Amino acid sequence: EVQLLESGGGLIQPGGSLRLSCTASGFKFDGYAMNWVRQAPGKGLEWVSSISADGYTTYYPNSVKGRFTSSRDNSKNTLFLQIDSLRVEDSAVYYCAKEGRYYYYMDVWGKGTTVTVSS
Amino acid sequence: QSALTQPPSVSGSPGQSVTISCTGTSSDIGGYDRVSWYQQPPGTAPKLMIFEVSNRPSGVPARFSGSKSGNTASLTISGLQAEDEAEYYCASYTSITTYVVFGGGTTLTVL
Repeated sequence: EVQLLESGGGLIQPGGSLRLSCTASGFKFDGYAMNWVRQAPGKGLEWVSSISADGYTTYYPNSVKGRFTSSRDNSKNTLFLQIDSLRVEDSAVYYCAKEGRYYYYMDVWGKGTTVTVSS
Repeated sequence: QSALTQPPSVSGSPGQSVTISCTGTSSDIGGYDRVSWYQQPPGTAPKLMIFEVSNRPSGVPARFSGSKSGNTASLTISGLQAEDEAEYYCASYTSITTYVVFGGGTTLTVL
């Protein structure tokens, strides 16, 4: 069974840093691009990063560029998201999502990990 | 990059059909056949329902169908069932960020 399991969320003060993890199982992890998508409380989905299958290419929207860094360890089937200079508006559920075979859609999602930024 | 535009809510009775629209621009929906749709019941993770405008992943009922005309994509759910009640999001490749932009979401209520 294809599964994604996020971890690393929690309560953190503004200006702090956090590293989220996503452990994958049930598919050839190093064969697919991976994404992070977040959802603020009561709001819609927002794509925040994508990383190629080999880890060499990353994409970010302007809203997080410079503060979010995505990486992966294909030997451990694990995806990471480093978030620096955290802001209150970064509070959200962060989902890890596998890219589909034909690109630009997400065919498997994790259950998410919650990040709360508050003093 | 602004989100794609969806109606806030739609509703229908069991057995009826409903259509959810998703409007973008020539930089996203209108320029590429890379539209996808996601279903999110309350308190759960999103689930892929349609990819590449009109393709259904295995396991998604044939009652769900997708289409596109110009800068607007649509998701149609026929034979509406109570279990279809959820939030629905469209998404598209966009040449502006060279990746994906989501719509604001539509709440489907089954009356």
